[in-house]
Amino acid sequence: SQQGEEDPQALSIQEGENATMNCSYKTSINNLQWYRQNSGRGLVHLILIRSNEREKHSGRLRVTLDTSKKSSSLLITASRAADTASYFCAAVMEYGNKLVFGAGTILRVKS
Amino acid sequence: DAMVIQNPRYQVTQFGKPVTLSCSQTLNHNVMYWYQQKSSQAPKLLFHYYDKDFNNEADTPDNFQSRRPNTSFCFLDIRSPGLGDAAMYLCATSRDPGYEQYFGPGTRLTVT
Repeated sequence: SQQGEEDPQALSIQEGENATMNCSYKTSINNLQWYRQNSGRGLVHLILIRSNEREKHSGRLRVTLDTSKKSSSLLITASRAADTASYFCAAVMEYGNKLVFGAGTILRVKS
Repeated sequence: DAMVIQNPRYQVTQFGKPVTLSCSQTLNHNVMYWYQQKSSQAPKLLFHYYDKDFNNEADTPDNFQSRRPNTSFCFLDIRSPGLGDAAMYLCATSRDPGYEQYFGPGTRLTVT
C-alpha cells in the first residue's frame, strides 16, 4: 500500500502564480523526497528533507515537513509553463530503505 | 555526464514471449531499482539490488526476475508477459538505500 497521499490530484494555475502541493504519510520517516515527472519520462529528484528538518529551499522550491502531522508541502513560486508535470512525494520509512510514493499531483501551468 | 541509461526506450513483445529490459549507470551507485508505472499511477517498486544483495517486493509476481551481473548493469526479465504487464518500466539508482534516486528515461513496454 502507498505510504503517501497527495492533494490536490490535479492543479491548474496561470504562469506566475504559486503552486502548493500537499503530501501525507502514515508512519515515522527517515526522510521525505519530492520528484517531478514530465509526461512519458523518468522521474527527476527535486529535494530531500530529513525528519529533523522543518523547511528547505532550492531555487523556486520550498518544502516544509511537519512530523507531528505526518505531512509535507511543496511550494513552487512564480510558476512557469515548463513546470507543467506530475509531482510525487516519496517517503523513506524510519526503519526501511526504500521510497514509497504518493499518488502524485498533476500540475498544469497555463501561459 | 553521469547518468542512468535504459534500453530500449520502447519495446513491443507478444503475449507470453520473454522479454528483457536493460539498465546501465555511470554513477557507480550501490543500489539499483526497478519500478513499474502504469498510466496516471505512482511508480511501484518491483525489486532492488543493494550491491549484490537482491531484495524482492512481496507482491512482485514471479513472472518478473532481475539480474545484476556487475555494478553498472541491471536487467529486468519478464518470463511470460501478459497484457497486464504493459507499462512504463523505470530503472533508478542511489548511492545508498534511502538516499535520493536517479531515474532513467524508462522503457515503455507494449504487449500484443
